[in-house]
Amino acid sequence: DVKVTQSSRYLVKRTGEKVFLECVQDMDHENMFWYRQDPGLGLRLIYFSYDVKMKEKGDIPEGYSVSREKKERFSLILESASTNQTSMYLCASSLVRDTEAFFGQGTRLTVV
Amino acid sequence: AQSVTQLDSQVPVFEEAPVELRCNYSSSVSVYLFWYVQYPNQGLQLLLKYLSGSTLVKSINGFEAEFNKSQTSFHLRKPSVHISDTAEYFCAVRKTGNQFYFGTGTSLTVIP
Repeated sequence: DVKVTQSSRYLVKRTGEKVFLECVQDMDHENMFWYRQDPGLGLRLIYFSYDVKMKEKGDIPEGYSVSREKKERFSLILESASTNQTSMYLCASSLVRDTEAFFGQGTRLTVV
Repeated sequence: AQSVTQLDSQVPVFEEAPVELRCNYSSSVSVYLFWYVQYPNQGLQLLLKYLSGSTLVKSINGFEAEFNKSQTSFHLRKPSVHISDTAEYFCAVRKTGNQFYFGTGTSLTVIP
């Protein structure tokens, strides 16, 4: 089975802190994605990566950056956390060809 | 641009009654279609998918969806729901390439 693992289930950070959310997949998928999920808004794409060191902005990249130094790992970075970044963050991976995405269990981040 | 519309944000239904969760998409090209389910505080799990072939696709737990190209719809149905079906359901579209596009979700509540 494909496994996508996010480093934390719950995280509480203070405003202004630098926050790292880590995601690892074990199926050699080329694509990796970061979404945030908010009630009534569904999933919104923050960034995605289609190869090592390659990234593209999604719909809401402001306030975030990403890093993909190895194929299996995709990190989301909040440079200076703010309260409006309190949300559920979901990582996903997929093959390049047209199959489904596989999701991690999510990280619920609270910024106080 | 792609868009996915889930017409109902909340659907309450009595146990053992039938249910339909609606999904429409906009696309001028061929797409691949997915339904995901999310249980509280978890990531998304694939429920079923349409990639090609038969337009009626089924899941192992009794859900089915039919791809209707002329109406650009991919509605999810189950003839008899169980309490355990209570969850959030997301419709998603992927065109040839990398990105997925998600609807805003439908919260299904099964009432005993």
